[in-house]
Amino acid sequence: EVQLVESGGGLVQPGGSLRLSCAASGFTFSTYWMSWVRQAPGKGLEWVANIKQDGSEKNYVDSVKGRFTISRDNAKNSLYLQMNSLRAEDTAVYYCARENGYCSGPRCYFYFDFWGQGTLVTVSS
Amino acid sequence: DIQMTQSPSSLSASVGDRVTITCRASRSIDSYVNWYQQKLGKAPKLLISAASSLQSGVPSRFSGSGSGTDFTLTISSLQPEDFATYYCQQSHIIPRTFGQGTKVEIK
Repeated sequence: EVQLVESGGGLVQPGGSLRLSCAASGFTFSTYWMSWVRQAPGKGLEWVANIKQDGSEKNYVDSVKGRFTISRDNAKNSLYLQMNSLRAEDTAVYYCARENGYCSGPRCYFYFDFWGQGTLVTVSS
Repeated sequence: DIQMTQSPSSLSASVGDRVTITCRASRSIDSYVNWYQQKLGKAPKLLISAASSLQSGVPSRFSGSGSGTDFTLTISSLQPEDFATYYCQQSHIIPRTFGQGTKVEIK
């Protein structure tokens, strides 16, 4: 059974740092792209970052570039999100999600097929 | 970035109703659209990928269609467990972007 379990959320002051972790099990972690997706209270979903299977490629939404760093440890089946210079607008539930996909001819389709339960990050003084 | 605009933002419907949610992309994205269902306090659940491919285990009353800029999620006969918020998402380019959500409520 695929499981993704996030941890590391909590209350942090503006300008502070926090490191989120996501422990994966039930699948071969090293063969999938992984993403972080967040949801501010009462708001919609926002993709934050993703990372390639071997960690060689990383992508970020503009609002977190230079402040957040996504990483992974395939030996530990774990995904991380280091968040620095946190702002009030970063307050959200952070989900890790497996990014699966398939190719049909020249087209490759990607989707988030499994999600963790989320961890709440609150940035407030 | 590609903007995804859903309509309506919310709707009220009765059990047994046919429900249609639309999603419009700010530019053509072929069929690179996924649909998710999210219930209160829970993680999103993938319903449909590649605009129309139903995920394993998802009831056949859910269907998706569209290509280019206009996409549709249809629930053919609304069931009590379908009351939730639905999101479209494009996977054509980075950054991945979601629609703002459509909340389906009980009439």
